[in-house]
Amino acid sequence: GQSLEQPSEVTAVEGAIVQINCTYQTSGFYGLSWYQQHDGGAPTFLSYNALDGLEETGRFSSFLSRSDSYGYLLLQELQMKDSASYFCAVGNTDKLIFGTGTRLQVFP
Amino acid sequence: GAVVSQHPSWVICKSGTSVKIECRSLDFQATTMFWYRQFPKQSLMLMATSNEGSKATYEQGVEKDKFLINHASLTLSTLTVTSAHPEDSSFYICSARTSGFYEQYFGPGTRLTVT
Repeated sequence: GQSLEQPSEVTAVEGAIVQINCTYQTSGFYGLSWYQQHDGGAPTFLSYNALDGLEETGRFSSFLSRSDSYGYLLLQELQMKDSASYFCAVGNTDKLIFGTGTRLQVFP
Repeated sequence: GAVVSQHPSWVICKSGTSVKIECRSLDFQATTMFWYRQFPKQSLMLMATSNEGSKATYEQGVEKDKFLINHASLTLSTLTVTSAHPEDSSFYICSARTSGFYEQYFGPGTRLTVT
């Protein structure tokens, strides 16, 4: 089968750094994406890694190791507004397969 | 740019009735649209992939006769939940992409409650 595993919940304080891991097992792989979803809202695209290494976009960075079937999302200088669910997603042929999701709670 | 709308944002219907949800790409042409279902505090489960002018491709376990998908144009896809049951109550989200399947643009979702 196909699976993408993430920690169910992560907590941190404002200004801290947090890492959300994603390990995947899929029959096909074209890249790893990350999406953010606030309660009741739509997922929004954060980042994409097709190749191994680190991609940086402002306060957010994403890392991929294809040999380890592993990636992570790194959030720096956490803000209260970062409290949301974060999903990794593997591109597989023409569709995305989403991970289990990680709920991030940022405390003051 | 890359805005996707859904209508309605929420709907309540009685068991046995049908409900249609629209998904529109407002400022781009979407070659492919996707329909997801999401239960509270859970992940997005892909229901089907829809390409303009062709039949939708349903994921394993999704009843195609119950969840009718029509992709009539490059900017509109519809999902009709037929003979709705309380277990169909969920958050339904559509997404659209132009090129580069890794980036999908999501609609705001439709919360369906079947009583």
